[in-house]
Amino acid sequence: DVKVTQSSRYLVKRTGEKVFLECVQDMDHENMFWYRQDPGLGLRLIYFSYDVKMKEKGDIPEGYSVSREKKERFSLILESASTNQTSMYLCASTISGPLVEQYFGPGTRLTVT
Amino acid sequence: AQKITQTQPGMFVQEKEAVTLDCTYDTSDPSYGLFWYKQPSSGEMIFLIYQGSYDQQNATEGRYSLNFQKARKSANLVISASQLGDSAMYFCAMRDLNTNAGKSTFGDGTTLTVKP
Repeated sequence: DVKVTQSSRYLVKRTGEKVFLECVQDMDHENMFWYRQDPGLGLRLIYFSYDVKMKEKGDIPEGYSVSREKKERFSLILESASTNQTSMYLCASTISGPLVEQYFGPGTRLTVT
Repeated sequence: AQKITQTQPGMFVQEKEAVTLDCTYDTSDPSYGLFWYKQPSSGEMIFLIYQGSYDQQNATEGRYSLNFQKARKSANLVISASQLGDSAMYFCAMRDLNTNAGKSTFGDGTTLTVKP
């Protein structure tokens, strides 16, 4: 079974802190994604990566950066956390190919106070 | 640009009955895939079913079927014989099949509640 893990289920940080969210997948997937989920807004793509050291902006990259130094690990970085970044963050991965599903991690609920 | 619309914020269904969750989409991509995911209260998104735009037959997976009407740009999820464990949020998503990166666009979701 594919497993996508995220470093924390719940996280509370203060405004201005640098925050790292880690995601690891164990199935050698090429593509990895970071989404944020907010009520009534569905899932919005922040960044994705299709290879090591490769990244592309999604729909809402402002205030975020990412790092992919190893194939299995994709990190989301909030350089200076703000209260409007309080949200559920979901990581996902998929193999390359036309009709393939995404595998999701359990999510990290981040609260910025 | 792709867009997914789920017009039903919440739905109720009686246990053992069938329910249809609506999804309409808009895209200029000639080749695309449509996906449904389930998100229980635990938070983890679970893949349910997918359909390619080139598929002639509707996809089925156990109690799930995807009612794909290309001309109407709709890809509704049908759940037969609802169970209490089907209570969850359901997301419709689509992606361009001409890229390998798997980047998808999601709808806002529909919360389904199954009543005993």
